[in-house]
Amino acid sequence: EDKVVQSPLSLVVHEGDTVTLNCSYEVTNFRSLLWYKQEKKAPTFLFMLTSSGIEKKSGRLSSILDKKELFSILNITATQTGDSAVYLCAVVGWAGNQFYFGTGTSLTVIP
Amino acid sequence: DSGVTQTPKHLITATGQRVTLRCSPRSGDLSVYWYQQSLDQGLQFLIQYYNGEERAKGNILERFSAQQFPDLHSELNLSSLELGDSALYFCASSSDIRDPINGQFFGPGTRLTVL
Repeated sequence: EDKVVQSPLSLVVHEGDTVTLNCSYEVTNFRSLLWYKQEKKAPTFLFMLTSSGIEKKSGRLSSILDKKELFSILNITATQTGDSAVYLCAVVGWAGNQFYFGTGTSLTVIP
Repeated sequence: DSGVTQTPKHLITATGQRVTLRCSPRSGDLSVYWYQQSLDQGLQFLIQYYNGEERAKGNILERFSAQQFPDLHSELNLSSLELGDSALYFCASSSDIRDPINGQFFGPGTRLTVL
């Protein structure tokens, strides 16, 4: 059964800390992996990764994919209170072009 | 503001009824995706259209159907509604036919409550 597992489920950090969020997957015929940030409303698209070892970066956020070990990490450096959100990972498979979502990691950044 | 609009914002209806949710993608985007988010199931992919054609299908129930019109707006029809259909329904758009390599932009969502 295709699945995406995110860890940790939840974490609380202080402003300025660096966090690493994990997404592991078992999806038949992997095609791409996507990261989203969801605050109280609609998700915001962060990154799409398709190739192993190539880091995608946007400001303090970066992400990398390991297709051999079937996981991705999302790093956030120098966290700010505005980073508080649920971070969702989704994997797309070639079969049926389906998106499989993890349950998300809830990040709380306290001042 | 993502440029994706969804109407209505909230919808309250009774079991057994039928509703239509509407989405207008960002200007120039040809792909529209529909997602359902409920407390117990998380975010689930329902269906994707590209330029009027169905491109991908997720865990969409047979009671649900969608279409994308020539002006690229999309509608999600939910029929024979059950209590468990209560959820937030998001629409997203992108310019890509397959994966959203150039980004994916979400609308504000429609909150459906089935009583």
